[in-house]
Amino acid sequence: DTGVSQNPRHKITKRGQNVTFRCDPISEHNRLYWYRQTLGQGPEFLTYFQNEAQLEKSRLLSDRFSAERPKGSFSTLEIQRTEQGDSAMYLCASRTSGGRGQETQYFGPGTRLLVL
Amino acid sequence: AQSVTQPDIHITVSEGASLELRCNYSYGATPYLFWYVQSPGQGLQLLLKYFSGDTLVQGIKGFEAEFKRSQSSFNLRKPSVHWSDAAEYFCAVGSSPGGYQKVTFGIGTKLQVIP
Repeated sequence: DTGVSQNPRHKITKRGQNVTFRCDPISEHNRLYWYRQTLGQGPEFLTYFQNEAQLEKSRLLSDRFSAERPKGSFSTLEIQRTEQGDSAMYLCASRTSGGRGQETQYFGPGTRLLVL
Repeated sequence: AQSVTQPDIHITVSEGASLELRCNYSYGATPYLFWYVQSPGQGLQLLLKYFSGDTLVQGIKGFEAEFKRSQSSFNLRKPSVHWSDAAEYFCAVGSSPGGYQKVTFGIGTKLQVIP
């Protein structure tokens, strides 16, 4: 399978715990995006990487949220001290660069987080 | 700030009928516009996008959308709906340059297809 993969697919945690999600983009894609989708809403942009550089992080929801892409390949999204309001689907997407943004962005299946 | 309005939360159409899903956006400059589909248990899939050029955009699965700057609209259309089109559809607007950064999605329109 050469699509975007995300792990785990489901995560249940207790309030106050830290969680980390992983995203493996399509191999030749140098741009990677994280989104959050709550029930009944559209996805909400969180952050964006070009290779290992995090070029946009102003939309991260709080300082409890952080993301990394240390070698420009896979990325991790960490939520510290989880709250019940963090319960949502976390989506990752990737695409190639160049061509004035003409390339298609591909989404992974998401990680569904439930905070008890 | 950019925003997207999808006025129809839920739409029901008969199989074979035509479809139009409405999308209105608010953005100060030339927008980058997208339509995505999300089927149950499936990831989001890009149907089509408008960055510049021809205002009538063709996408996958027989969908098209028309950018109308005067109406701040980017409505999605399909001439004949198939049962497999039942899904949730999201309109989105992105900021330039790049298009995909800081994308704002609408709330979505859930499409039900009846025989």
